[in-house]
Amino acid sequence: EIVLTQSPGTLSLSPGERATLSCRASQSVSSSYLAWYQQKPGQAPRLLIYGASSRATGIPDRFSGSGSGTDFTLTISRLEPEDFAVYYCQQSRYTFGQGTKLEIK
Amino acid sequence: EVQLVESGGGLVQPGGSLRLSCAASGFTFSSYEMNWVRQAPGKGLEWVSYISSSGSTIYYADSVKGRFTISRDNAKNSLYLQMNSLRAEDTAVYYCAREFHGDYYFDYWGQGTLVTVSS
Repeated sequence: EIVLTQSPGTLSLSPGERATLSCRASQSVSSSYLAWYQQKPGQAPRLLIYGASSRATGIPDRFSGSGSGTDFTLTISRLEPEDFAVYYCQQSRYTFGQGTKLEIK
Repeated sequence: EVQLVESGGGLVQPGGSLRLSCAASGFTFSSYEMNWVRQAPGKGLEWVSYISSSGSTIYYADSVKGRFTISRDNAKNSLYLQMNSLRAEDTAVYYCAREFHGDYYFDYWGQGTLVTVSS
């Protein structure tokens, strides 16, 4: 069973700063099946990134994904107020990371 | 516009049963694989079950295997989750989610329905 570990658990930043979120797999996974989601309080998750680096429809280009093997990264280049949320990585349908909460500093 | 609308959640006693529904619209439901994902209060996301577009292939998380049954009615554009022998740890918001053509990620989600298992 593959385990996804996200870090940090909480990230405190200010609008305009750059955010770097990590997702580490317990063994090598296919980047084709690595996705990132954003979830705001009281809302369903929203797909941001699929295939490790492809942005979903309508996702701003300040969001980017990268990585391969066991280490994957979601980067938000310049934080907007609406970006503060919880972010989850997912591998191959079955496994989600525990989430990173991005909060306003 | 793609829409997924869950219903059927509520309060149920331990050992009880509940059937969730997910009504789909805005896309050709019969062409897409579907999933149920749940989220316990204040916790992360947990995949629960998968069903292929035809309904011929089904998978479950170990935590619900033998107790939950996923099904679909393509004529009614609907997805279902029959939940039996419910436990307190099944308390969660249950989301239905469309899988993008077998690529293992979920491009559309419903708003969720809350299931509370408590005496």
